[in-house]
Amino acid sequence: DIVMTQSPDSLAVSLGERATINCKSSQSVLYSSNNKNYLAWYQQKPGQPPKLLIYWASTRESGVPDRFSGSGSGTDFTLTISSLQAEDVAVYYCQQYYSTPQMYTFGQGTKLEIK
Amino acid sequence: EVQLVESGGGLVQPGGSLSLSCAVSGFTVSSNYMSWVRQAPGKGLEWVSVIYSGGSTYYADSVKGRFTISRDNSKNTLYLQMNSLRADDTAVYYCARVGGVSVAFDIWGQGTLVTVSS
Repeated sequence: DIVMTQSPDSLAVSLGERATINCKSSQSVLYSSNNKNYLAWYQQKPGQPPKLLIYWASTRESGVPDRFSGSGSGTDFTLTISSLQAEDVAVYYCQQYYSTPQMYTFGQGTKLEIK
Repeated sequence: EVQLVESGGGLVQPGGSLSLSCAVSGFTVSSNYMSWVRQAPGKGLEWVSVIYSGGSTYYADSVKGRFTISRDNSKNTLYLQMNSLRADDTAVYYCARVGGVSVAFDIWGQGTLVTVSS
């Protein structure tokens, strides 16, 4: 099974500053036949379901602000919020969907707060 | 409007059964991959099961043999039958659509809480 490990577990960033969350997979999630990384990022605010932010590691879902960006390939990925807004306080999860259908594995989550 | 509404959660004793429903509007369940994801109180997300448009079903090892995912095309509804429930099955259960373009979970319901306790 592919294990997803996020770092850090929690993060405090000042408003307007950059926030960076890392995600590492135990094996590559890059599918060579289409050169796509099967990696997604979700945002979950308290009391709400998760919301898809990024898929294919770097493609923003429709309606997601462009301050959110995803990067990386293979086993190492990053979610960057370029200028933190108050409404970005949430828990962020990465997820691999390379090893489907057997497993859609999530990272343990990173809690983002305002400093 | 695209919407997923879960129901059926509640308190059940260990060893008991419960059936969850996810009523879908705005798209056709049978034409999409649909999944259940759960979240234990204060914990992270755990994928539970998926049903493909062709009808194939898959489960996480933690629920295999105990849970059954299904759908009713006439009601445009997704189900999760949960048997032999254990305390560690306590969680909010979300239904979610697997996006046709993203292949990630692009639409989620609000969730329904299942509590397994004596």
